[in-house]
Amino acid sequence: DTAVSQTPKYLVTQMGNDKSIKCEQNLGHDTMYWYKQDSKKFLKIMFSYNNKELIINETVPNRFSPKSPDKAHLNLHINSLELGDSAVYFCASSQVLGTGSETQYFGPGTRLLVL
Amino acid sequence: DQQVKQNSPSLSVQEGRISILNCDYTNSMFDYFLWYKKYPAEGPTFLISISSIKDKNEDGRFTVFLNKSAKHLSLHIVPSQPGDSAVYFCAAMGTSGSRLTFGEGTQLTVNP
Repeated sequence: DTAVSQTPKYLVTQMGNDKSIKCEQNLGHDTMYWYKQDSKKFLKIMFSYNNKELIINETVPNRFSPKSPDKAHLNLHINSLELGDSAVYFCASSQVLGTGSETQYFGPGTRLLVL
Repeated sequence: DQQVKQNSPSLSVQEGRISILNCDYTNSMFDYFLWYKKYPAEGPTFLISISSIKDKNEDGRFTVFLNKSAKHLSLHIVPSQPGDSAVYFCAAMGTSGSRLTFGEGTQLTVNP
C-alpha cells in the first residue's frame, strides 16, 4: 500500500545515455513533483504537474523532460546524461487545496549515478 | 540565495532529553512551514507543519514553534528516542503556489 513509489531505486549508467525514472502515487492527489537532492544534500524542486498540466518548471536543462500520462503518474526522462546529473531524485505528491497549506508526500528516491 | 537555513548541520542529545532543531527563513512571503524526517536511503517523511496564523503546533512528542517577527521556527522533540535519529529538514511554502523550499537539513543523533 505504498503511497508514492518510484522505479528504479538505483540507476547506474554511462554518460550520454538516455534514461527514465517512473513515479506513481495512490493517494488520489492532483499534483506531483520532482525534486533533486544534490551532493550537498539540498533538496530543490525541478518540476510540478497539476492534473497533467505543468505548473512549475525551474531552471532545469531541457535534457530533462517530465511527462504525466495521468494525474497518478509523473515520469522523468533525461537525455544525454552528464556526470553532474548524478544525484538522488525524489518524486512527491500533494492535494492542492488552494489554501497554501498543502503537505507533500515523498517517494523513496532514485539514486542516479552517471559514470 | 538560501531562503531557508538550518545553521546546525548536526545535533547530538541523550535519550529522554529534549531535542531542539532550529530553522531561519528570509522570505516574508512564506506562510506555511513543514518539518520532514529522513532516514538514509529513504524519502523525506512528513512530520509536522504550522501555518503562519499560529505560533505553535503540537503533535505528540513533536512541537513546532513559529516566531514570524524573527523569521524563525523550531522543532522540539521531547522526550527524544533513539529512533528519532535522522536528518530533519525544515521546508517553507509561499502563498503563490505549491513550491517547497528546503533547508539543508540537521542530522539528529539520539544516544541511548
